[in-house]
Amino acid sequence: ILNVEQSPQSLHVQEGDSTNFTCSFPSSNFYALHWYRWETAKSPEALFVMTLNGDEKKKGRISATLNTKEGYSYLYIKGSQPEDSATYLCADFGNEKLTFGTGTRLTIIP
Amino acid sequence: DVKVTQSSRYLVKRTGEKVFLECVQDMDHENMFWYRQDPGLGLRLIYFSYDVKMKEKGDIPEGYSVSREKKERFSLILESASTNQTSMYLCASSFLGEYQPQHFGDGTRLSIL
Repeated sequence: ILNVEQSPQSLHVQEGDSTNFTCSFPSSNFYALHWYRWETAKSPEALFVMTLNGDEKKKGRISATLNTKEGYSYLYIKGSQPEDSATYLCADFGNEKLTFGTGTRLTIIP
Repeated sequence: DVKVTQSSRYLVKRTGEKVFLECVQDMDHENMFWYRQDPGLGLRLIYFSYDVKMKEKGDIPEGYSVSREKKERFSLILESASTNQTSMYLCASSFLGEYQPQHFGDGTRLSIL
């Protein structure tokens, strides 16, 4: 993996269902992996900064895991709610800057 | 709460004009960043700065310059605006280091006619 890649590009999930999506990043020279949530008409908001292989972080119904050896991170949302509708961005840290993926656009269907 | 303020939400300019986008942060962050966001391309870094009067090129610096005369203020300059610079521009700031999240402004939607 040379760039940061996210899949799927978009996702529709029924309210109450759980979901997850993937971020792949270059596994060599790893420093940190950031997750952001970007709601329409708002600014991106930091969710997690992950640094250690095997790291798992949680904020309410949202959690994330990290595998630095194989170069991927999963974001999980449990019991989706309408307010979870947003674009979720991951970013790889290197040379004092972030390289962002193109995001996963999540829509929760009431 | 961290506040990153961009001078305009919407801006319309003409081809060839010199355009200034201003960004101010109130948290004494060392780092400041300018991104543009285009459909299907994600956030792309134009320039960043880790200290007053310091600047580093990002991934797409062509056609842009920046100025950081004070720690809290980072300006993006389009020297001679072109239609392919129509985009959403986002400013962000952070403390130094890989563990530090970036804090974003609300964005400026710039249209070049």
